Amino acid sequence: QIQLVQSGPEVKKPGASVNVSCKASGYTFTSYGVSWIRQAPGQGPEWVGWISAETGNTNFAQKFQGRVTMTTDTSTSTAYMELRSLTSDDTALYYCARAARNFWSDYFIYWGQGTLVTVSS
Amino acid sequence: EIVLTQSPATLSLSPGERVTLSCWASQHVSSRWLAWYQQKPGQPPRLLIYGASSRATGIPDRFSGSGSGTDFTLTISRLEPEDFAVYYCQQYGTSPTFGPGTKVDLK
Repeated sequence: QIQLVQSGPEVKKPGASVNVSCKASGYTFTSYGVSWIRQAPGQGPEWVGWISAETGNTNFAQKFQGRVTMTTDTSTSTAYMELRSLTSDDTALYYCARAARNFWSDYFIYWGQGTLVTVSS
Repeated sequence: EIVLTQSPATLSLSPGERVTLSCWASQHVSSRWLAWYQQKPGQPPRLLIYGASSRATGIPDRFSGSGSGTDFTLTISRLEPEDFAVYYCQQYGTSPTFGPGTKVDLK
């Protein structure tokens, strides 16, 4: 079955960077992209961006441009997201997700379990 | 960016009742590219509906979606105990955005 397994919780100080990983299994990794979506406590989800596992092309939500990097390692079927210059507003549960199609804007069928990122001084 | 608004924020209902949840978009959502998700505490969102009205795999037929343009609706024909959760709409016609959610809780 298709699974997305994410790395563990992180606690960071303001101004720091965080790296979250997402290991995919159960499908051909390079046939789909991976989206990153975050959810702050008590709020709706927020799309951060997408990376093509085949080409490495990326597409980010405008508010994260310049502050986020997404990469993949096809040898291990793992996607990575780095978010820099963290503030308390970045405290959220970060999910990786796989869409129905290999396209940057789509609906999401498969989700990771989420990685809690807490930003606190 | 297309902003999604959901109403109401909370609905208090009893099992067996019919539920109608609304989602409005600030701009036309092309090709009815709108999805609905259900989320329970401690879990990621679960896809219910895509393309405004197509049920995802394994979703019971008591869930149905409708609408086009800027107005969309999720209907649960008869509320089951496992349906008490938060429901989100999401558009994917442009850069994906989600609504703030409607919580359906037990009266």
